[in-house]
Amino acid sequence: EVQLLDSGGGLVQPGGSLRLSCAASGFTFTSHAMSWVRRAPGKGLEWVSGITGSGGSAYYADAVKGRFTISRDNFKNTLFLQMNSLRAEDTAVYYCARERYSSGWDDFDYWGQGTLVTVSS
Amino acid sequence: DIHMTQSPSSLSASVGDRVTITCRSSQAISNYLAWFQQKPGKAPKSLIYAASSLQSGVPSKFNGSGSGTHFSLTISSLQPEDFATYYCQQYTRYPYTFGQGTKLEIK
Repeated sequence: EVQLLDSGGGLVQPGGSLRLSCAASGFTFTSHAMSWVRRAPGKGLEWVSGITGSGGSAYYADAVKGRFTISRDNFKNTLFLQMNSLRAEDTAVYYCARERYSSGWDDFDYWGQGTLVTVSS
Repeated sequence: DIHMTQSPSSLSASVGDRVTITCRSSQAISNYLAWFQQKPGKAPKSLIYAASSLQSGVPSKFNGSGSGTHFSLTISSLQPEDFATYYCQQYTRYPYTFGQGTKLEIK
């Protein structure tokens, strides 16, 4: 059974940092690209960042480029999102999502349960 | 970036009804279009990929169609568990982009 377990969210002050994790199980991790998607309060879904199965290519939304870094540990089957210089507008529930294949440009077929990030003083 | 526009933004319907949600992309995306359902406090659930293919385990009451720039999601025989917010999303190129969502409410 495919499982994605998001963790690492919490309350952080503006300008602070946080590292999210997504522990994957039940499938061959390297065979799938992965993404982070967020939903801010009262708003819709927003894609944040994606990474290919090998970890060789990463992509970012303009809103987070230069502040967030996506990475993956293919030995530990874990996806990460390092978030620096956090702003109030980064407040959201963050979900990891599995893409169908390893190269990216694919649909999401499984989602984590989400982890809440609150940026506030 | 490719802009995705859904209509309507909200929709009221009754149990047993059939409803259609439309999604338009600002550029042609072939069939690289997915649909998701999200309920309050829950993770999104994948329904449709490649514009018209059902994700595993999704009932056939959900039907997707379209290609190019115009797409639609039709839900037949609405049941109480179908009332949720629905999103379309393009994945033809990064950054992936979502529609603003359609909230389906019970009349």
